[in-house]
Amino acid sequence: RKEVEQDPGPFNVPEGATVAFNCTYSNSASQSFFWYRQDCRKEPKLLMSVYSSGNEDGRFTAQLNRASQYISLLIRDSKLSDSATYLCVVDPTGTASKLTFGTGTRLQVTL
Amino acid sequence: GAVVSQHPSWVICKSGTSVKIECRSLDFQATTMFWYRQFPKQSLMLMATSNEGSKATYEQGVEKDKFLINHASLTLSTLTVTSAHPEDSSFYICSASTGTSFSNEQFFGPGTRLTVL
Repeated sequence: RKEVEQDPGPFNVPEGATVAFNCTYSNSASQSFFWYRQDCRKEPKLLMSVYSSGNEDGRFTAQLNRASQYISLLIRDSKLSDSATYLCVVDPTGTASKLTFGTGTRLQVTL
Repeated sequence: GAVVSQHPSWVICKSGTSVKIECRSLDFQATTMFWYRQFPKQSLMLMATSNEGSKATYEQGVEKDKFLINHASLTLSTLTVTSAHPEDSSFYICSASTGTSFSNEQFFGPGTRLTVL
């Protein structure tokens, strides 16, 4: 079983749509969780951290379910500029010394 | 702030040659630098972690004699792919961290695309 699993997609959605991505992780002792965004042939960029209570940043909402070892990202009112690959990242140590990346979920927002 | 650069951004080389990739933290001191590799449609895989002035710690399955890492200063780490072969063609990304309890976020460089012919 992969340490971090994501549906690779692609998710093709029209502008304005709401889309959700899920991610599962295998290490129950994992401490920190993140969503990164990676554009084609570019480095990953931190989108947001994921907290147990759930957190929101504008159109983006992240949720964590430790019991089910499951993380989600919800994007509301999708924009063309949201088209990218979204990486689920787990930090087993909580010190950012060893990040484990999922393969990513590709999102394509269309007109 | 927290800018990390990599050089070169892309390189094409012949099989058997060595390639050096530089990773620099431009506006902060990076006590820890990480080297990742990403093959097409795959996730970033950590290759090694280096702390300034120390030997790098390699992940399982990564040959330390093939991927030489040097972290001689708080702003520069280098990865040398020795005797490169076509299967080494990949996207190599470094990241840097201050390694403090205040902020241990990893800041990523723009990556280096290596193609070995």
